Amino acid sequence: NAGVTQTPKFQVLKTGQSMTLQCAQDMNHEYMSWYRQDPGMGLRLIHYSVGAGITDQGEVPNGYNVSRSTTEDFPLRLLSAAPSQTSVYFCASTLRGGADTEAFFGQGTRLTVV
Amino acid sequence: DAKTTQPNSMESNEEEPVHLPCNHSTISGTDYIHWYRQLPSQGPEYVIHGLTSNVNNRMASLAIAEDRKSSTLILHRATLRDAAVYYCILRDWNNFNKFYFGSGTKLNVKP
Repeated sequence: NAGVTQTPKFQVLKTGQSMTLQCAQDMNHEYMSWYRQDPGMGLRLIHYSVGAGITDQGEVPNGYNVSRSTTEDFPLRLLSAAPSQTSVYFCASTLRGGADTEAFFGQGTRLTVV
Repeated sequence: DAKTTQPNSMESNEEEPVHLPCNHSTISGTDYIHWYRQLPSQGPEYVIHGLTSNVNNRMASLAIAEDRKSSTLILHRATLRDAAVYYCILRDWNNFNKFYFGSGTKLNVKP
């Protein structure tokens, strides 16, 4: 059981470039989410999905796209990278929605936009 | 966001118990109390959660005050691998996707 796997671990982009951050889970979880972690800001929700084919925006969705074609995968696309998107990105999954669920996080992707 | 207050840092000796406190005086009746920890350059890791009653699992125990305005995470025998930043967060049913981690408590474990 690998849990939640994120790739790549590190990435440097030039302003204006696009890229996809990959996230996969092997626990058959319904819910998957993307967060960014910045110093002093905690975790901020970017996008989330409640199941295959269903996605919705979180607190800070601008500049990011997601899709969920399978239960296992939830990629995050940066359309045109900006320095403000320099951050650590975490993907998380839960078996279902709810305040009483355990969230599993990936190891993170450290992104630098220059 | 419902806020929690934790000490910035704590220190413990290896193989001794550690009590990590958290104040959450504005907690609502349906908020769950969760604890996560994060090692350097790692993703957050779930530790334990509870609503009203004390909870135990293989990693830790969670003691919840009767008025629910505070809680304590108990690591029964600290190891060097337990050195991390510990976050106490509240999750409510309307915003369960939100994790307000705040600054947490940095636990240092001395050999």
